Amino acid sequence: EADIYQTPRYLVIGTGKKITLECSQTMGHDKMYWYQQDPGMELHLIHYSYGVNSTEKGDLSSESTVSRIRTEHFPLTLESARPSHTSQYLCASSETSLGENEQFFGPGTRLTVL
Amino acid sequence: SQQGEEDPQALSIQEGENATMNCSYKTSINNLQWYRQNSGRGLVHLILIRSNEREKHSGRLRVTLDTSKKSSSLLITASRAADTASYFCATDAGSNYKLTFGKGTLLTVNP
Repeated sequence: EADIYQTPRYLVIGTGKKITLECSQTMGHDKMYWYQQDPGMELHLIHYSYGVNSTEKGDLSSESTVSRIRTEHFPLTLESARPSHTSQYLCASSETSLGENEQFFGPGTRLTVL
Repeated sequence: SQQGEEDPQALSIQEGENATMNCSYKTSINNLQWYRQNSGRGLVHLILIRSNEREKHSGRLRVTLDTSKKSSSLLITASRAADTASYFCATDAGSNYKLTFGKGTLLTVNP
């Protein structure tokens, strides 16, 4: 079982609210990722980080922002949530020194914006 | 554009039967990985095959890779009801350690 945690697991909020989805890993991995996944669909990379103070936009444009102040922590923030943000958000991590990009995933946060 | 495409989209079999899922991709890769996702959960890494490998085994899993056809297959032998999940292939094209996932195959194993 991978030691990567996401909170909350489920979140239902109203339009216009600011939210932060938390992701933490205890494996000391240098790389972390955020994916967005609609039910029954593929994962889309929205943000990634190579290490502390490094963040990059992913392949899918997203209005969310991320920060990486500590190795273990990679929170995602939506300043003003909208119904179009309703989705599942998955956090993952991987370690460069292991040589292969095997990614470890958290359980996900299912976000519903009303 | 999407890198990986799984086929079939859905597969329903009886316990004890074998399940085969296929993945096609478009560009050259460093490796290809298969992941499993139980409903509403995160993904779990199953197996990785490098571009210079043709076949790999792990327990009841067998993965093949044909780089000339840009395709891979995942075989699960002697399936169990607990194997019911979505299975995704993901390609590492060497682009900054990013993976590109396909849409997945939903496998249902009936007891």
